[in-house]
Amino acid sequence: TQLLEQSPQFLSIQEGENLTVYCNSSSVFSSLQWYRQEPGEGPVLLVTVVTGGEVKKLKRLTFQFGDARKDSSLHITAAQPGDTGLYLCAGRLPTGFQKLVFGTGTRLLVSP
Amino acid sequence: DAGVIQSPRHEVTEMGQEVTLRCKPISGHDYLFWYRQTMMRGLELLIYFNNNVPIDDSGMPEDRFSAKMPNASFSTLKIQPSEPRDSAVYFCASSFPSSNEQFFGPGTRLTVL
Repeated sequence: TQLLEQSPQFLSIQEGENLTVYCNSSSVFSSLQWYRQEPGEGPVLLVTVVTGGEVKKLKRLTFQFGDARKDSSLHITAAQPGDTGLYLCAGRLPTGFQKLVFGTGTRLLVSP
Repeated sequence: DAGVIQSPRHEVTEMGQEVTLRCKPISGHDYLFWYRQTMMRGLELLIYFNNNVPIDDSGMPEDRFSAKMPNASFSTLKIQPSEPRDSAVYFCASSFPSSNEQFFGPGTRLTVL
């Protein structure tokens, strides 16, 4: 059973377009993270959101945590080829433990 | 400043052989995680350690898999005997206890023929 479902699974767009990736669950998380993974490398943390309704911006990337802390979204404005990669959301269940549950992933390709 | 180090980066072996994957976490990190990534199942947590002690191994697929952390700077994941369905990229990650962030190594791509 996959606790975190991401959509879309694949996204191929042109440079300059905007896009949104969704991360949904029926479970409540104490925090949620977004990672980006490039080919041949491990995932790298982009952001952590903790409070329901929280919005964080990282240059052209905007992250939002749902009010009920069950879902999150990642919006990229004016995508660039350097944004290409696998985007993973990861949630920490409110058990107090360190382990993360990773989402199914969204593979993004931005063409020049 | 070295990140998480994994070896080997690539491993090709035949079904039935023993495979040992190695990980050196970032110095000072108290938590160490082993993950497996496949196209079908995504990134799955296999086991994690705190201060060298296994905390949760519920993700270990079966008895053929075992993991050890003999000291704070070294961990191994062993598969014996290996099967073709074990083919995947295996990642090691480490973190501070007070931090949300996990730092991942570059992974070991395992192919079992």
